[in-house]
Amino acid sequence: AQKITQTQPGMFVQEKEAVTLDCTYDTSDPSYGLFWYKQPSSGEMIFLIYQGSYDQQNATEGRYSLNFQKARKSANLVISASQLGDSAMYFCAMREGLGSASKIIFGSGTRLSIRP
Amino acid sequence: GAGVSQTPSNKVTEKGKYVELRCDPISGHTALYWYRQSLGQGPEFLIYFQGTGAADDSGLPNDRFFAVRPEGSVSTLKIQRTERGDSAVYLCASSPLAGTGELFFGEGSRLTVL
Repeated sequence: AQKITQTQPGMFVQEKEAVTLDCTYDTSDPSYGLFWYKQPSSGEMIFLIYQGSYDQQNATEGRYSLNFQKARKSANLVISASQLGDSAMYFCAMREGLGSASKIIFGSGTRLSIRP
Repeated sequence: GAGVSQTPSNKVTEKGKYVELRCDPISGHTALYWYRQSLGQGPEFLIYFQGTGAADDSGLPNDRFFAVRPEGSVSTLKIQRTERGDSAVYLCASSPLAGTGELFFGEGSRLTVL
């Protein structure tokens, strides 16, 4: 069965520093996709970044990058130059199979707090 | 707006009552997902639809929960004989088949069972 693990319930980071949020996953399917979402206190879920299991390079989107280590089944989110607005819950998610819709499961999340 | 719309945004009901939560996905999105999120936790998968059919309902906690999507667009999550433990935010998301298949979420329906 597919599984997502986020081991950091909460993190505090100084503004302008980089931060890494950990995510490990477990699946027996060689085809899968990994997502990161941000959920501010307002409750909306905001898509940040995606990595496919066959992508050769780590995904990047602005200040967000995904450190994809396939052999270790790790998909950590790296936020560079953190800002106060980055304070939020962050969720890692996984979909088994590519090219069609399938079940997407989420981890328990990491609450990131940025200190001024 | 062009986003996922969920109604009601808030619902307070009494234990034992029947509740319906509605989701109107983004036009053209064939996949629709329902999640339940308790305070401080990640979204818990309930069910997803591909078109009109439920492709995976393995997350529905018991037979009090049921969801439909009769015309392949709007979906309704139905909860019978509500219990206090059903209190949560129910999130709906839709997804296109093309691209990454990322989920586009609605703002959720907060259900409180007294």
